[in-house]
Amino acid sequence: DVKVTQSSRYLVKRTGEKVFLECVQDMDHENMFWYRQDPGLGLRLIYFSYDVKMKEKGDIPEGYSVSREKKERFSLILESASTNQTSMYLCAHKAGGPAYEQYFGPGTRLTVT
Amino acid sequence: GIQVEQSPPDLILQEGANSTLRCNFSDSVNNLQWFHQNPWGQLINLFYIPSGTKQNGRLSATTVATERYSLLYISSSQTTDSGVYFCAVSGEPGANSKLTFGKGITLSVRP
Repeated sequence: DVKVTQSSRYLVKRTGEKVFLECVQDMDHENMFWYRQDPGLGLRLIYFSYDVKMKEKGDIPEGYSVSREKKERFSLILESASTNQTSMYLCAHKAGGPAYEQYFGPGTRLTVT
Repeated sequence: GIQVEQSPPDLILQEGANSTLRCNFSDSVNNLQWFHQNPWGQLINLFYIPSGTKQNGRLSATTVATERYSLLYISSSQTTDSGVYFCAVSGEPGANSKLTFGKGITLSVRP
């Protein structure tokens, strides 16, 4: 069974706080992704990583950074959380290459007050 | 980049009814997936189907790559089928390919 975990299902933070969202996969997959999902806007890619210490910006990287020190773990960092970062955050992973299935974690609902 | 359109945007069914969900895409693809987002927000993999036909219980999917569309069929719908259904595609070659998602189809199955 595919297993991918995210550090929290629900998280409440204050404006200006530094926030870490963690994602861990046990499939030894090269590619990992962070998305956010907002009503009416669908899923939007924030960052992705195709190898340890490698990262690329997605469609909406502003206000976020990422870290991938180990193959199984991909962290999303909100340097200074703002209320417009209140959202559902979804981590995903897949093997390298186009013809592989992508899997999602359970998601983290982040509220910034 | 590749465009993905799903239709209809919303669908209401009576329990036991059948339905067809459609995904159109604008270019050739080497990856196409259907997901179901459950009420808790998790995306569950339904099918990996860049071409051909697959079946899994009451669900089946067909992708006609040459005509750039995919269909998801739900038969004998149940209330647990409710949620949002996403189609996602990729046409990029190489190890760094990324999925492009449609806006989703919201399905409500009433008892």
